[in-house]
Amino acid sequence: EDQVTQSPEALRLQEGESSSLNCSYTVSGLRGLFWYRQDPGKGPEFLFTLYSAGEEKEKERLKATLTKKESFLHITAPKPEDSATYLCAVQDSNYQLIWGAGTKLIIKP
Amino acid sequence: NAGVTQTPKFQVLKTGQSMTLQCAQDMNHNSMYWYRQDPGMGLRLIYYSASEGTTDKGEVPNGYNVSRLNKREFSLRLESAAPSQTSVYFCASRQGGYTFGSGTRLTVV
Repeated sequence: EDQVTQSPEALRLQEGESSSLNCSYTVSGLRGLFWYRQDPGKGPEFLFTLYSAGEEKEKERLKATLTKKESFLHITAPKPEDSATYLCAVQDSNYQLIWGAGTKLIIKP
Repeated sequence: NAGVTQTPKFQVLKTGQSMTLQCAQDMNHNSMYWYRQDPGMGLRLIYYSASEGTTDKGEVPNGYNVSRLNKREFSLRLESAAPSQTSVYFCASRQGGYTFGSGTRLTVV
């Protein structure tokens, strides 16, 4: 069964304290892995798409990496405005998305 | 601003009542989707429309119906609301990446 698991469920960091969020997956025929950011009361906002193991994408303080079994979202020197829930989704061979439950990130000033 | 617009933003229904959630996109995307988001769970696909004139069931279609009115609009109807349908509903459109609306928060009492 296709499955996406994100860890940890919640993460509290001090401003400037770097860390990583994990997304592990099992899927038949991975078409792509997506990272989204979701602010309270809003819809998910697209961050990155990764297509093959070894691929990396960067945007400001965020860097996403992909292996054959998992993806990491690395956050370097985060700021309070990086506080949000980060969602991971994998696209299967039928181009449907399977979503993880998300990691709630809180950055304290 | 270009994007996906959902109405209403909030709704409270009594068990057995019906309602239609509206969604419109102005990006000329072919594919549109309805998801529900519940605490501790990933987004779950209710219905999708790969193109104007076609609709297909997703993971959790029971209790819902959809209409792809034209290329811009994709509505979701609850014929007889149940407390289990209390959730946040998101509409999305896709061309490459997914663009989400801001959601409808539905409570069924």
